[in-house]
Amino acid sequence: KNQVEQSPQSLIILEGKNCTLQCNYTVSPFSNLRWYKQDTGRGPVSLTIMTFSENTKSNGRYTATLDADTKQSSLHITASQLSDSASYICVVNLMTTDSWGKLQFGAGTQVVVTP
Amino acid sequence: SQTIHQWPATLVQPVGSPLSLECTVEGTSNPNLYWYRQAAGRGLQLLFYSVGIGQISSEVPQNLSASRPQDRQFILSSKKLLLSDSGFYLCAWSGVNTEAFFGQGTRLTVV
Repeated sequence: KNQVEQSPQSLIILEGKNCTLQCNYTVSPFSNLRWYKQDTGRGPVSLTIMTFSENTKSNGRYTATLDADTKQSSLHITASQLSDSASYICVVNLMTTDSWGKLQFGAGTQVVVTP
Repeated sequence: SQTIHQWPATLVQPVGSPLSLECTVEGTSNPNLYWYRQAAGRGLQLLFYSVGIGQISSEVPQNLSASRPQDRQFILSSKKLLLSDSGFYLCAWSGVNTEAFFGQGTRLTVV
């Protein structure tokens, strides 16, 4: 069972609308949680990185939140653009004794923005 | 600044042939290094990660192996490729509290 679960698996939204992607994780302890954007056929690119003590982090129209108590994170995309069509991946950086620095990836949410 | 190089970008190999994908990092020392595979329409699957020279952790039993002969060099290999080895392979590096940086990926097609 994946220790980082993302939902929904895919999402279609109209250009200009907002959307929120969810990430639930079971790994603990962790040093940081990251959100990446991956265009088809390309490597992932970092959007935000939050330590366990941070609650929110913004990068332009992308805002990530983190609730360490419930082990949930979300990525909110505001005023979506066609270029936002991509896979969005939640990543937890483990801090256990035998997994120091190991990145645990979610399966991603495929977002399609339509005109 | 740090950069990561991964090659080749695309590769078509016959079943049973060997494989060697190379990844090198510049501008940092003692990085954590990772090899991921992504099947079509699927998420990233961690194959190997390394926290130091000669230290390799394998995540899933498979037909592949990895080596780290130098601090900033990570190699993914296979002695005999299978059809199921086809996919998009990504190399990445990170520090413990820094973001991960990915190579541009290698599209491997086993025929």
